[in-house]
Formats: sequence, structure tokens, C-alpha cells
Amino acid sequence: EPEVTQTPSHQVTQMGQEVILRCVPISNHLYFYWYRQILGQKVEFLVSFYNNEISEKSEIFDDQFSVERPDGSNFTLKIRSTKLEDSAMYFCASSRDRGFSNQPQHFGDGTRLSIL
Amino acid sequence: GENVEQHPSTLSVQEGDSAVIKCTYSDSASNYFPWYKQELGKRPQLIIDIRSNVGEKKDQRIAVTLNKTAKHFSLHITETQPEDSAVYFCAANPTGGGNKLTFGTGTQLKVEL
Repeated sequence: EPEVTQTPSHQVTQMGQEVILRCVPISNHLYFYWYRQILGQKVEFLVSFYNNEISEKSEIFDDQFSVERPDGSNFTLKIRSTKLEDSAMYFCASSRDRGFSNQPQHFGDGTRLSIL
Repeated sequence: GENVEQHPSTLSVQEGDSAVIKCTYSDSASNYFPWYKQELGKRPQLIIDIRSNVGEKKDQRIAVTLNKTAKHFSLHITETQPEDSAVYFCAANPTGGGNKLTFGTGTQLKVEL
């Protein structure tokens, strides 16, 4: 069964540094997402991406965040100047084109981001 | 925006018993409701979902019911097994917009021998 893959599994970064989290969505999927989960809390939506542009973003996704699909397979999340409160597990997800009904979102294993 | 509430936060059952987890949502435009199971340190894994045009869906020991009028939906697990122990999240997704999922706060299910 195809899976969403994420790298790295764990990223440790100094506060103020830039970090890029990488994802390879399932190959025939067209919708891509980033979510985050602070330890012990619920999963929170960050951004969705479709047809090479952001479809929707949450209040969390401020100017420090950006997403990109640099080629036909990768989907990245960049945090420009990391803060302590950015420490969390970041999940990438993907789904097939929605059409007239929502399609299931499949999650990757996540990247644990630790800001020191 | 959408707000999803989930109860209980923890649930302990004996092996073989049933478990029920309940969620309510606020946005009447939501029409897709998935349930995810998350084991410690792992990805949320989709276990079942339901769309607003049906009231119930079943997959072996797992079932989900939806009451659109009351804006609540529930997960039912029958004949629970130790491997069902995990955190379960409900979510809601409206049509239109960016397809975002709004998650509940999670239920830690423990199935005891």
C-alpha cells in the first residue's frame, strides 16, 4: 500500500534558525497538507495545497511559514526563523482530488521538530 | 470556524467489552467525518469515515454513527482487544475551502486484560 513519506524523522535546531521539513505524498494524490501536533495535544491544521498554490491556511501558518512543491514528487514546509513554541510533531498528509466529495487524508510518520 | 469536541478524554474497558467515543461539531457545512487511531509516537491512521448522506457505517468491529440534526457522531468498537489500545481522534471537514480537517482533542482508549 502506498504511503506518505517524511524526512527527517527528527530534527533538532537552534532557535532562530531556518528548518525545512520534507514530504513525498502518495503519487496519484493532488491535495497536500501539513498538520502539527504538540506533545500530548490534538492534531492542528496548518495549510493545504492544491494545483501549486495554497488552498487554505490556519492562523498558526504566519509569515514565518511557507510551503513549496519544488518538483513532481516533493512537498516541503519551511519555517524561516524557528521559535521555541514551534517544537512539535509535524505531519504531512495527502489525498486524491476531491471532486464533489471529500477524499480520505493519509498521514506520514511525521517529523519531530525540537527547537533548543 | 469549525469546533469539534470529543468525549471522554480517557476510556478504560475490559477486553471483549464495547467502547463508544462521542464527538460534536459546530459547523453545519461539515459533511465528512473521519476517525483516526494513533499509537504512541506513530502517525494518525484512518480507521473509518462517514459522509453526511448516510447515518451509519460499519467495518467489522468498528462502526460510526452520524446525527446531522444534533451535529454529533460516534465511534463504536465492539469486542475490544488489547491492540485496540491507542488514542482515537475524530475530525470534521466541510465541503469547499481547502479541505482542512478539524480534529477533536482525542480519547485515550485502554483495553485491559
